[in-house]
Amino acid sequence: AQSVTQPDIHITVSEGASLELRCNYSYGATPYLFWYVQSPGQGLQLLLKYFSGDTLVQGIKGFEAEFKRSQSSFNLRKPSVHWSDAAEYFCAVVDYKLSFGAGTTVTVRA
Amino acid sequence: NAGVTQTPKFQVLKTGQSMTLQCAQDMNHEYMSWYRQDPGMGLRLIHYSVGAGITDQGEVPNGYNVSRSTTEDFPLRLLSAAPSQTSVYFCASSYSGTGTGNTIYFGEGSWLTVV
Repeated sequence: AQSVTQPDIHITVSEGASLELRCNYSYGATPYLFWYVQSPGQGLQLLLKYFSGDTLVQGIKGFEAEFKRSQSSFNLRKPSVHWSDAAEYFCAVVDYKLSFGAGTTVTVRA
Repeated sequence: NAGVTQTPKFQVLKTGQSMTLQCAQDMNHEYMSWYRQDPGMGLRLIHYSVGAGITDQGEVPNGYNVSRSTTEDFPLRLLSAAPSQTSVYFCASSYSGTGTGNTIYFGEGSWLTVV
């Protein structure tokens, strides 16, 4: 069965600094991978997805993620965070269903 | 285009009460599902449906029932609410099975508290 691990429960970053959120997956075949963001009290918004092809995927809000098969990772990055990026971020892998990681909460300090 | 609509957004129930969370989508998606979100556990699949008249259990189905009489609607029923069912519930839909990698659209969530 597929699974997703997000090793970092909480990350604090200064506004304007870079951000990297880690995601490791366990899946037997070629995975379909997603990153979702959830702002407080809101639903989930899709940031980006990887199906195949180019291993560097661009998403909305200036985010990108890189798929590394050899490391079973799909880390999310943003070069310069904004205060509005404070949220909870979920990595997910798809088989017959979405399997979500436990999430990483990002706090942005001024 | 309304997307995925969930109601109610907030609900407080007493232990033992029953209720239904409504979910509707207007995108003609075949695949619909219900997840619950609990702190530190991400989202877990409760039930899913691959089309009208077809439903199946996910990871945490106990205490919940679903039905899919139309393509548009996928209600989630709590038969006898328990405090352990206090959670945020998300309905999701996609064009076809998630195994194809189709984008999955989520509703805005329903915050349920059982006291």
